[in-house]
Amino acid sequence: SAVISQKPSRDICQRGTSLTIQCQVDSQVTMMFWYRQQPGQSLTLIATANQGSEATYESGFVIDKFPISRPNLTFSTLTVSNMSPEDSSIYLCSVSPEGQFFGPGTRLTVL
Amino acid sequence: AQSVTQLGSHVSVSEGALVLLRCNYSSSVPPYLFWYVQYPNQGLQLLLKYTTGATLVKGINGFEAEFKKSETSFHLTKPSAHMSDAAEYFCAVRNSGNTPLVFGKGTRLSVIA
Repeated sequence: SAVISQKPSRDICQRGTSLTIQCQVDSQVTMMFWYRQQPGQSLTLIATANQGSEATYESGFVIDKFPISRPNLTFSTLTVSNMSPEDSSIYLCSVSPEGQFFGPGTRLTVL
Repeated sequence: AQSVTQLGSHVSVSEGALVLLRCNYSSSVPPYLFWYVQYPNQGLQLLLKYTTGATLVKGINGFEAEFKKSETSFHLTKPSAHMSDAAEYFCAVRNSGNTPLVFGKGTRLSVIA
């Protein structure tokens, strides 16, 4: 099974700033998925990232707010832009075809 | 579109009692089904999964789940609850290895001594 790591593991940020979250996999994967888990809630898919193409965003999520990069088959980044307290969540990445495994998550608090 | 319904946002059982967490799914094609556990302030841990084959799936920590196509269900059970089972449990579904998971809203399990 793929080993997925994320950086940072947690961060506290000020309103209006941006944070880039990294997801690294120890093997080449087709797709990478980014999820958000708001406090006390379930996981919601933000977007699907394919290498060499634009990410596909789910309803309610836009590229200007959550730009994603996928420069190669083992790495992706998610940026949370112009943050507000409502962005305080855990952000997780997952990969395909090992889609059932998740990174440890990035716990973001926006003040 | 796929969807997952977890009946009961909160389930409370006594220590030693049967644990039953309900999950129903909607899928137009044969699904892959998953159960995850999340302990407070921790990440997601895969409990068990069903892809093909035997419909009764055994997972970690004594949990098991049965895929019932006729009922579109994948309920999670454990014969005897332990205090350490107290956590949030999520049921999830996907169609294939290249599609993302769709999660239910979760069920918080409390175990009473």
